[in-house]
Amino acid sequence: AQSVTQLDSQVPVFEEAPVELRCNYSSSVSVYLFWYVQYPNQGLQLLLKYLSGSTLVESINGFEAEFNKSQTSFHLRKPSVHISDTAEYFCAVSRTSGGYNKLIFGAGTRLAVHP
Amino acid sequence: NAGVTQTPKFRVLKTGQSMTLLCAQDMNHEYMYWYRQDPGMGLRLIHYSVGEGTTAKGEVPDGYNVSRLKKQNFLLGLESAAPSQTSVYFCASRPGRGWNEQFFGPGTRLTVL
Repeated sequence: AQSVTQLDSQVPVFEEAPVELRCNYSSSVSVYLFWYVQYPNQGLQLLLKYLSGSTLVESINGFEAEFNKSQTSFHLRKPSVHISDTAEYFCAVSRTSGGYNKLIFGAGTRLAVHP
Repeated sequence: NAGVTQTPKFRVLKTGQSMTLLCAQDMNHEYMYWYRQDPGMGLRLIHYSVGEGTTAKGEVPDGYNVSRLKKQNFLLGLESAAPSQTSVYFCASRPGRGWNEQFFGPGTRLTVL
């Protein structure tokens, strides 16, 4: 079985500061990794994903995440955050084969960007 | 192209009442999912469907039933609502094998008194 741990439930940060949201997973099989973002009162949107290949993946709005197999981590980073990045961020995993792409989510990290 | 839509957006029930949540997608996706979101617990899978006429249990199926009579619709039913089912419910869909991204609806906020 897979599980996902997001180490911080809340991360307050000032605008233009860097941020890292941590995600660790456990799995006995190969997994795909995802970060979803949920803005207030909205559904989840895919931010970025790791399927294979380069371990560093980027989103269109400046976030990046690096797959570290030895540390079973997929931390999300942004060098300079904006007020508009305030949201809840969910890390998720799914099996690479079988399992019908059932996503296992972490508990979420609420990012609060202050002016 | 509306994507994934959910009806209703909000609902308040009394304990023991029943209701059905409707999820509709216009993207011709094969797979559909129902999740519930609770504070500090992320999203948990209730039921899912890999095609019209098929359903399967997820992580937390007790107290819920589902049906997928049409490919574009996935219904989630609560036969006898309980306060523990107070939550935000999200529907998601996925094109099919070979695709990894799930597309989420806006959610339904359900309160059971």
